Amino acid sequence: KQEVTQIPAALSVPEGENLVLNCSFTDSAIYNLQWFRQDPGKGLTSLLLIQSSQREQTSGRLNASLDKSSGRSTLYIAASQPGDSATYLCAVGFNQAGTALIFGKGTTLSVSS
Amino acid sequence: GAVVSQHPSRVICKSGTSVKIECRSLDFQATTMFWYRQFPKQSLMLMATSNEGSKATYEQGVEKDKFLINHASLTLSTLTVTSAHPEDSSFYICSARDLMGEGNTIYFGEGSWLTVV
Repeated sequence: KQEVTQIPAALSVPEGENLVLNCSFTDSAIYNLQWFRQDPGKGLTSLLLIQSSQREQTSGRLNASLDKSSGRSTLYIAASQPGDSATYLCAVGFNQAGTALIFGKGTTLSVSS
Repeated sequence: GAVVSQHPSRVICKSGTSVKIECRSLDFQATTMFWYRQFPKQSLMLMATSNEGSKATYEQGVEKDKFLINHASLTLSTLTVTSAHPEDSSFYICSARDLMGEGNTIYFGEGSWLTVV
C-alpha cells in the first residue's frame, strides 16, 4: 500500500528565507506527483504537477523536483513571504483511471515578517 | 481550464438528519470521482471512489450505508451523509479525473464544511 510521508510536519521561518519541504513515497510506480497548498479552513490549490517522466517543475518562486527511483520529491520555496504561510500537501497519482491521489499529512509553514 | 464545483461550501445540520453534497465537473466528463474527508489538522483521507453508472467503491472503515454516493451522470456525483452525528463534522472534498486533459490530471472541488449540532 502506498504511503506518503512529509517532513517536517511544521516549519517556522523568517521572511526571506529559502526553504525545502520534503515528500517521500513507498511505491515508486507513480504516474505523477502533485504539490498543493491549503490555507486554514479552505480547499486545495494546486501548485505544481510533475509527471513521472519529469525531474522538476517551476512556477515563480516554487520549484518541485522528483526522484522517482528513490521515492522522493522536494518543494523549494525561494525568498519566502508571510503570504506563503499555509499547509503544503504532497500527493501521488497513478495511471489507472480509477485510482485516487494519495496524500501525505502535510507540512504547515509559518513565515514571520 | 477544467473546474470542479462543490456545493454547499458550508452546511450546519441537526444530529440525525441527512445532508447531501454535490460535486460537478463543469467542463469535462468524469467517469470517476473521488470523495475525501479531512478532520482538523489531519490529511485528506480517501473515503470512496465514485463510478458513473455503477456502485461506489469504499475504503476500509467507511460505512457505505452511512455515506451514500450516487454518480448518475458523467458530470455529477453526490455524497449523502445519512443520520449525521457530531463526529461526522468534517471537511469533505471531491475530485474528478479529466482523462482527456493534459497529464491525466485530477481536479479538486472547493470542499464542503459539515457541522453537525
